[in-house]
Amino acid sequence: GAVVSQHPSRVICKSGTSVKIECRSLDFQATTMFWYRQFPKKSLMLMATSNEGSKATYEQGVEKDKFLINHASLTLSTLTVTSAHPEDSSFYICSARGPGGYGYTFGSGTRLTVV
Amino acid sequence: AQSVTQPDIHITVSEGASLELRCNYSYGATPYLFWYVQSPGQGLQLLLKYFSGDTLVQGIKGFEAEFKRSQSSFNLRKPSVHWSDAAEYFCAVGAEVFTGGGNKLTFGTGTQLKVEL
Repeated sequence: GAVVSQHPSRVICKSGTSVKIECRSLDFQATTMFWYRQFPKKSLMLMATSNEGSKATYEQGVEKDKFLINHASLTLSTLTVTSAHPEDSSFYICSARGPGGYGYTFGSGTRLTVV
Repeated sequence: AQSVTQPDIHITVSEGASLELRCNYSYGATPYLFWYVQSPGQGLQLLLKYFSGDTLVQGIKGFEAEFKRSQSSFNLRKPSVHWSDAAEYFCAVGAEVFTGGGNKLTFGTGTQLKVEL
């Protein structure tokens, strides 16, 4: 079945630094990838949608310059949290969708802690 | 705009008992409905999905869900719960599949399932 690999699973960084999270589709071409943020005991909040080769579409209230998304290939999308602050600490999850349209496969998530 | 409501934040059932998790959706066209399960600190695993056809959908781990258009519901059921089913369950709605583009999913707030031994 479709597999999405997300790395790292956990990262701790200092305030003011940048962190990159990778999301790879291992056995299918992901025409569309989604990035979510999940707060403790809360639902998933969609941050942005990225299509390969084009700029990401951000949801209202999500800072584009803060959360940089790159979808350079059909198997890789990255989320970079720039100048991270403690309030950016959260669980980030990516999801990928193939060209056939069926199914959204999720990565295993990244726990970001900014200290 | 599409939306999903999961009215039960927490549910506790005894092992071996039946389970039903409620999900109501709001969507203007034909919905694409999903149930996902999430264990602590993990990503989401797809239990089942509905797009068209038979309104009773079978999924993994013995779960099933029934789409009822008249009630805008997609409740998840399992006849006999196992202790390993304890997790967070999310219902989600998405746009029709073959329209291309983003077709983002909208998630409910989740239901935390606790299983008593």
